[in-house]
Amino acid sequence: DTGVSQDPRHKITKRGQNVTFRCDPISEHNRLYWYRQTLGQGPEFLTYFQNEAQLEKSRLLSDRFSAERPKGSFSTLEIQRTEQGDSAMYLCASSSDRGPVIPHFGDGTRLSIL
Amino acid sequence: AQKITQTQPGMFVQEKEAVTLDCTYDTSDPSYGLFWYKQPSSGEMIFLIYQGSYDQQNATEGRYSLNFQKARKSANLVISASQLGDSAMYFCAMRPHQTGANNLFFGTGTRLTVIP
Repeated sequence: DTGVSQDPRHKITKRGQNVTFRCDPISEHNRLYWYRQTLGQGPEFLTYFQNEAQLEKSRLLSDRFSAERPKGSFSTLEIQRTEQGDSAMYLCASSSDRGPVIPHFGDGTRLSIL
Repeated sequence: AQKITQTQPGMFVQEKEAVTLDCTYDTSDPSYGLFWYKQPSSGEMIFLIYQGSYDQQNATEGRYSLNFQKARKSANLVISASQLGDSAMYFCAMRPHQTGANNLFFGTGTRLTVIP
């Protein structure tokens, strides 16, 4: 049973550039979540998918952020026109929707904006 | 509003001793789940233990147990027989089952250091 996989692990980019992260959930999980974690804080919810449908978005997800899960399997999170404040760890999690719903997280993508 | 409070920024424990990490929560939802995750310096969030608000017994998973006191709205994590590998950040989280049912609300974490 492979866990949640995220790619890349680290991304360094210049301010104003676009970046895209990928998340591959645990195969039998139909729910997928994105969180952002800044230094010294706990993760904050960004968005949630049930299969391919994006059902919930946090107000933290500005217009520059977009997430997709086209076939209900992997997901991508794109940030356009990156800003200094986007520097953070971006965590993906997945879960089933049966029993206690327990999100399992990936290793995260650490984004640094120069 | 949902809120998780972890009042201990850092804790130290001697190897092989037990340690309790504090967590209090606030929610108006009658039904919710409580979680603890471990985050080593490498960054991954590792699920440790879950407690449902209507579970009659405190959850246990190996060396981890959750001291759930519903009336006090506290969900403390107890780690028994600490090991050097337990040194990490520990996050308490809650998922209300009605309001915001699709996401976890996290505290700010406690950094645990196990001393040899």
